[in-house]
Order: sequence, then structure tokens, then C-alpha cells
Amino acid sequence: GIQVEQSPPDLILQEGANSTLRCNFSDSVNNLQWFHQNPWGQLINLFYIPSGTKQNGRLSATTVATERYSLLYISSSQTTDSGVYFCAVEDRGSTLGRLYFGRGTQLTVWP
Amino acid sequence: DTEVTQTPKHLVMGMTNKKSLKCEQHMGHRAMYWYKQKAKKPPELMFVYSYEKLSINESVPSRFSPECPNSSLLNLHLHALQPEDSALYLCASSRGTSGMSGELFFGEGSRLTVL
Repeated sequence: GIQVEQSPPDLILQEGANSTLRCNFSDSVNNLQWFHQNPWGQLINLFYIPSGTKQNGRLSATTVATERYSLLYISSSQTTDSGVYFCAVEDRGSTLGRLYFGRGTQLTVWP
Repeated sequence: DTEVTQTPKHLVMGMTNKKSLKCEQHMGHRAMYWYKQKAKKPPELMFVYSYEKLSINESVPSRFSPECPNSSLLNLHLHALQPEDSALYLCASSRGTSGMSGELFFGEGSRLTVL
């Protein structure tokens, strides 16, 4: 199956700082999503972004499909941004619905 | 608010019990999923239903039995579980049309403890 690598594995920031999270994948994809998992376990959709750039408030994401990576930008971070950020992809050759998750980036934002 | 609803949110069961996890969505999605997540690990796919038919079973032990009674509902029946099955069980749904999954939406999860 497709390999998904996220970096960095851990990130500690002061409130107000900016950060960039990276997701590399090993094959062409139909689907790429970024999720934030909050401390209660819920996976919250951030972006559905198989290609291109999207922005939502302080967050934005860019996927360069031809180079097989995606970036998630968090600006002016807040303590509520803490949690685990997952990148997940569905490769073009796979059976419908087989989404592969990276191991995540654990973000901690201190006040 | 999530549009995928899971019940119960917490479940404690013994190894001889039979219980069920339930998931409901009203977004008109035709693909529904069960994932299992252990602490500090990414979610792992268990089952996929597409148009109410089981399309993926990731070699899950038979003590987990999925059921999709209609396009809005997904159940996971649990029987004779082991303590190592304790985990967060996540349900998700997506459009699932035109040969592509589309965006997945997850429920809040059911946290299962097996004693």
C-alpha cells in the first residue's frame, strides 16, 4: 500500500507562533485529507485537498500532487490548536475507501 | 457539531458479553466505515460498506461483526472480545460515488474497555 510520512512527529510552540506540518506520500492519490484529533478523540476535518491550495481562517494547506507532498500551515497558533494532526490519503490504485493515515504530528501550544 | 453520530460514547464490557456499537449519518452518504484506534497510533481501517454492501474487510477477527441495515446506519456487533480489543472505535461516512470515496467525516467515537 501507499506509504504516508508526516513530519515533524512532535512540535511544541508558544502561543502566537506559526508552524508548517508536512505529509509525504509514495504514490498518486485520489484523496488527501488533513484532520485534527482533539484530546477527546474526535477527528475533525480540516481540509479535503487532493491538489491545490485552500485556506480556512488561520489554517491553510497546499498539496503538490506531482511531487507527492502536502503542507499544513498554522498561523498565530492558539492553545486550542493542540492535539494530533493526521494526514490521510487514498491512492488511485486502491479499492474504494481504503484511506491510509500517517502517524501524525503531536502539536502542543503553550500559553 | 458532527453529522455522524455514534453511540454509546463509552462502553465497558466483559469478555463474555455481547454488545453493539451504533453509527448513524443523514448526509446521504453511500460509503460507511469502521476504524479502530489505539492510544498514540493512527486509526486503522476495519470495514468499508459501499451502497450497503461490505466491500472491505481488513482481516478483522470474527468476534467483530459489522452490519449495515440501511444507507444511514452502521452497526458493529461485539462478542467474546479480548482486553487487547480495548480502543477507540471510529465510524466515518463519505459520498462514495463515481468510484471515489470523497471527503470522509468521522463521528466522535466509542471508547471501548474490555475487562
